[in-house]
Parts: sequence; C-alpha cells; structure tokens
Amino acid sequence: GAVVSQHPSRVICKSGTSVKIECRSLDFQATTMFWYRQFPKKSLMLMATSNEGSKATYEQGVEKDKFLINHASLTLSTLTVTSAHPEDSSFYICSALSAGKTDTQYFGPGTRLTVL
Amino acid sequence: AQTVTQSQPEMSVQEAETVTLSCTYDTSENNYYLFWYKQPPSRQMILVIRQEAYKQQNATENRFSVNFQKAAKSFSLKISDSQLGDTAMYFCAFMKRGGGSNYKLTFGKGTLLTVNP
Repeated sequence: GAVVSQHPSRVICKSGTSVKIECRSLDFQATTMFWYRQFPKKSLMLMATSNEGSKATYEQGVEKDKFLINHASLTLSTLTVTSAHPEDSSFYICSALSAGKTDTQYFGPGTRLTVL
Repeated sequence: AQTVTQSQPEMSVQEAETVTLSCTYDTSENNYYLFWYKQPPSRQMILVIRQEAYKQQNATENRFSVNFQKAAKSFSLKISDSQLGDTAMYFCAFMKRGGGSNYKLTFGKGTLLTVNP
C-alpha cells in the first residue's frame, strides 16, 4: 500500500512554455500533499504544501505565480511551472500524507524537468 | 524550528556487514515522529523506518533497526547484513505530531552509503 505516482517522469520544454506535473495517491486519500525540489546531491527542499479544496501554502522564497498548485481531489495534486526558464530545470518530487494512523509522507518517483 | 544533522556525508560498508548511520536533531517539541528514508540511484524516496517519539521501544524493519535516544536527541539507523541494493542516499527526517503545517518534514543533508561487493 501507500503508492504515489507522478507523471511525467521526464519532460523537456522550451523556455517560456508551461509544464504541468501530476501527483496521485493510488491507494489512499491524501488531504495534504507536498511539492519538493531537489538539486543534485542535495537534500529535498520543500516548495509548498498542497491542501485539498484550499489554497496551497508556499515556503518563503517560492514564487506563487510561477509554481501554481492545484489540489482538486483527495488523490490528485498538480504543479504547473509557468513561463519556465532554464533555471527552473530541476528534479521535482511530490509526496502524499497518509494521516491519522501513520502520519507518514509517501513519495512519488519524481519528475526531471529540463528547460531549453 | 527543528534541525536535523547527519554528520557523515559518505560511508561505505562491505556486503554482509553491519553499518550504523548517525542522526541527531534539535527540537523543543515533545510529541513527534522520526523517519529514515532512502533514495537509491533511481531517486525514488523510500520509507525505511518510522519511530514515534512517545514509544521507548526502538523500531525495527527486517534488517533495519534504530537506536532512538530521546534525551540525547539521537536517532541512528543500523543496517545489518548489508546488501548491494542498500546503496543509496539515506535521509533522516523529523515531523512534529499534529495537524496542519505540523505535517512538514525537516530533513538532514543525507548520508551516501555505498555497499561494496
């Protein structure tokens, strides 16, 4: 149990375009999901907390208008990188919270974004 | 605010041997969780083990066990009978117990473990 999928696994886009990444909890409901960014050989950096049916909470320094988050259902959160630039190239990881009994974040496999 | 420190950036171990990864943390909270996640070369974050702070008994999961010392704020991970598939970056993480923003994870910088044949 506790499987989280993320799609796409890799995406290459041109500068100025937008890219949407989906995160799904496959076998549990997640009212809370998280979006992280990870640089090579570094730890995970939390970008935002996504709550079902409400606005996302962004960490300090993360541009809300550039990284749009939507959590429309209990199993799906999306991250849209708008007007992407080469500096947005990174590895993006989502997690879904299994709350209550375990209070544990389960992670998706990540998305490698390359902006040309 | 919480901090998590992993003082060993890299470690190596021979296959079938035992290795211990260190983690210390700082918090004023009394009710929290501690986790070890592994990130192999595929970069998929995998939960290894979870410890609830109110439980004195150390958590175990097959070859993985922890030494949780609450007073010392120490949470080390022991891997027994190391296997090649254990090669990964290991992250120690802290989560305050409760709802809302308390579900955030605070990660250490990670320890890169290499298991040698």
